[in-house]
Amino acid sequence: DVKVTQSSRYLVKRTGEKVFLECVQDMDHENMFWYRQDPGLGLRLIYFSYDVKMKEKGDIPEGYSVSREKKERFSLILESASTNQTSMYLCASSPGTGHGYTFGSGTRLTVV
Amino acid sequence: QKEVEQNSGPLSVPEGAIASLNCTYSDRGSQSFFWYRQYSGKSPELIMSIYSNGDKEDGRFTAQLNKASQYVSLLIRDSQPSDSATYLCALLGGYQKVTFGTGTKLQVIP
Repeated sequence: DVKVTQSSRYLVKRTGEKVFLECVQDMDHENMFWYRQDPGLGLRLIYFSYDVKMKEKGDIPEGYSVSREKKERFSLILESASTNQTSMYLCASSPGTGHGYTFGSGTRLTVV
Repeated sequence: QKEVEQNSGPLSVPEGAIASLNCTYSDRGSQSFFWYRQYSGKSPELIMSIYSNGDKEDGRFTAQLNKASQYVSLLIRDSQPSDSATYLCALLGGYQKVTFGTGTKLQVIP
């Protein structure tokens, strides 16, 4: 089975800190995604990548950046964490367009 | 109108009954449709994909797609308490972007 691993299950960070969320998949998937999930708002796409060193903005990219230096790893960066970035962050991967996603277990980030 | 609409629920069904979950969408260009199950505190898990009009069955699950009416549904036969979860509808629309609904919470009562 495809495994998508997110480095942390829970994180607490202070306002203004730079935060790194790591995601690694082990099945050579082309596509990787970062979502945040908030009650009542559902899953919202932050950034995605269809290839190494490639990135595309999703629906809510403000305050975030990403890095994909290797095919299996997709990192989400919060440049200067703010309290409104407190959320569940979900990484996902898929083998290609039109395929369903495999999600990681999520990182619950709290910014205080 | 939201791109993907689902009744938030909760939808309560007795154990052994058929649970029917519905989803409507606005983008007529949508090509691929997915159902995910999300247990409380867990991440979504893909349970069904459907790409053409009609029914697709997988065990106790049946996905139904009607592109003309712009709806997709998920039927769960012989519902079990372990099916209690939030079910997310998702679709691949224009610009190759996947959009998720906010989910329907299903409660199966023993």
